[in-house]
Order: sequence, then structure tokens, then C-alpha cells
Amino acid sequence: EIVLTQTPATLSLSPGERATLSCRASQSVDTYLAWYQQKPGQAPRLVIFDGSHRATGIPARFRGSGSGTDFTLAISSLEPEDFAVYYCQHHNTWPTFGGGTKVEIK
Amino acid sequence: QVQLVQSGAEVKMPGSSVKVSCKASGGPFSSYSINWVRQAPGQGLEWMGGIIPIFGTGKYPQRFQDRVTITADEATDTVYLEVTGLTSADTAVYYCARDLVSGRYDYFDSWGQGTLVTVSS
Repeated sequence: EIVLTQTPATLSLSPGERATLSCRASQSVDTYLAWYQQKPGQAPRLVIFDGSHRATGIPARFRGSGSGTDFTLAISSLEPEDFAVYYCQHHNTWPTFGGGTKVEIK
Repeated sequence: QVQLVQSGAEVKMPGSSVKVSCKASGGPFSSYSINWVRQAPGQGLEWMGGIIPIFGTGKYPQRFQDRVTITADEATDTVYLEVTGLTSADTAVYYCARDLVSGRYDYFDSWGQGTLVTVSS
């Protein structure tokens, strides 16, 4: 089973700053990786799929990159609504999620 | 985008079972996988399994194969999750989620509102 490790666990930033989140897979997943955003009390929301494709309605400030074992989600300039927990996810034998990165207001 | 509406919160005794429903509307149903993802309090996301209604057979990770059953009713566009042998470790919010692509278990772009299942004596 492929394990996804997300770093850092918490990212403390101010609105307007750039956020860079990392997801590392225990073995290659090609580009088959997604990112989700989850706010307190809400269901997750698909942000990026297949490594770099933005989901419907996701603003251009969200950018996914990477392939193989190392992936990055970058948010170019944080808006107040972007502060949330972000999970990466792969679908090898079955869908698996990383442990999450919390982006909090500094 | 399809809408998924789940049944309400449940409180269950240890050792009992729970059955949660997820009704889809506003989009195609039978050829897209409907999946169940749970989240324990303060924890991350865990995929419990899914079903493509037109195929009728659930797919489960090994750790849930003995306790989880997912079924679908195409007549009502509803998917059910049943979990048996409940323990306090099963206390969580249970989400249903539909796949982005027909016939696959890939990425989930439509989610239900979540159902809180509390296991307590």
C-alpha cells in the first residue's frame, strides 16, 4: 500500500503570502494525485486532480505540480477563505489520503 | 454537479450495527462510483469502500472487508453503508462522495454533508 506523507503539519502564514504544501508518496504514483481542501464542519472539496488539473470553480491562484513521488500544492497569494486543512490523495489499489496540512492565519 | 444527501446522525451501542444512506440527485448515478470516507474527531480522511451501482458489487480496502457492506438501489438513486461490530473507534463523521469519472475509483468531486455516528454505551 502506498503511503502519502504531507509536510509541514501546520503552516502559519498571513493573507497575501504564498503557501507551499508538500506531499510525498512511498513509491511512484505517476501523476495520479489529488488535493482536497477542508474547512471546519464541512465536507472536503476537490481542488486539484491528476497532479495539476484544477477542479471546477477552483481559482487560478491554486497550482498543483509534481510527478512520481514528490508533489506540491502552491497557493500564490492567500485569501482569507483559503485557510483550511489540505489533504493529498492517491488511488492505487484503492484511494488513500495523506495526513493533512493545516494552513492557519499567522 | 450532483447533490448527495445523507441520513441523519446516529448513536449506537458497542457491538451493534449502523446503516447510513446517501441519496443522489441532479446527475447520472448508475455508472459513477459512490464512495464512503470517514473522519474520526480531529483526525484525517479514510476511504472505507465504494460501489458502482450498475455493477452492483462493492470494493473495499482489506481492513474493512469483514465489517463493511456497501449496497446501491438504482430505483431510488441511493447508496447504503452498513458497518457491523461497532466500537468506540468507529465514532466518526461518515461522508459519501461521488467519483469525478464514470466507472472509476479515482477522485471525489461531489460530497454529502456528512453523518455523525457516535458509538457509546
